[in-house]
Amino acid sequence: QKEVEQNSGPLSVPEGAIASLNCTYSDRGSQSFFWYRQYSGKSPELIMFIYSNGDKEDGRFTAQLNKASQYVSLLIRDSQPSDSATYLCAVNTGGFKTIFGAGTRLFVKA
Amino acid sequence: DTAVSQTPKYLVTQMGNDKSIKCEQNLGHDTMYWYKQDSKKFLKIMFSYNNKELIINETVPNRFSPKSPDKAHLNLHINSLELGDSAVYFCASSQQMNRGPTFGSGTRLTVV
Repeated sequence: QKEVEQNSGPLSVPEGAIASLNCTYSDRGSQSFFWYRQYSGKSPELIMFIYSNGDKEDGRFTAQLNKASQYVSLLIRDSQPSDSATYLCAVNTGGFKTIFGAGTRLFVKA
Repeated sequence: DTAVSQTPKYLVTQMGNDKSIKCEQNLGHDTMYWYKQDSKKFLKIMFSYNNKELIINETVPNRFSPKSPDKAHLNLHINSLELGDSAVYFCASSQQMNRGPTFGSGTRLTVV
């Protein structure tokens, strides 16, 4: 069983819509959760982190965490073509190990 | 600029050769990592170092040998390169063990 699972997509949304990206993880002891954005040919860039159950908002991005369901999501409001990228969910499973999902490709159509 | 920098950016080499990738961070982080991203874009942790000490070795073949001369540097040496080693290798660092890593720009290794 994969430790961090994401739908590979692609997820296609029109400009201005809300993009919803989902992630599940297997290790119940995980404490820290991250969303990275990776443009083609570039390195992953941390855009959101969340440690507690509930929602965390930062500009157009909202991260949601439900530890009971082992579920993390990222909402992108007012999606822009520049948001088109691969979004990687990452989980710190304790200690010095942060593992990544395979990523969801997002396309925002102008 | 504060960053994680790694060299070289591109590396093309023949099977059987030995090569090294260098990484330096000036963020003052204690923890450094090597990740491998394959052709399907899956990012897999290889090694974690904390204050120059190896903490995690994710069942990587022993042809891969990391070295950390100090907590700002983490190099990766690869012996007897194989076709399957072709990938993008990312160095990363984090301030604490549970913080999201900051990534370098990557080294695209192509073994021919």
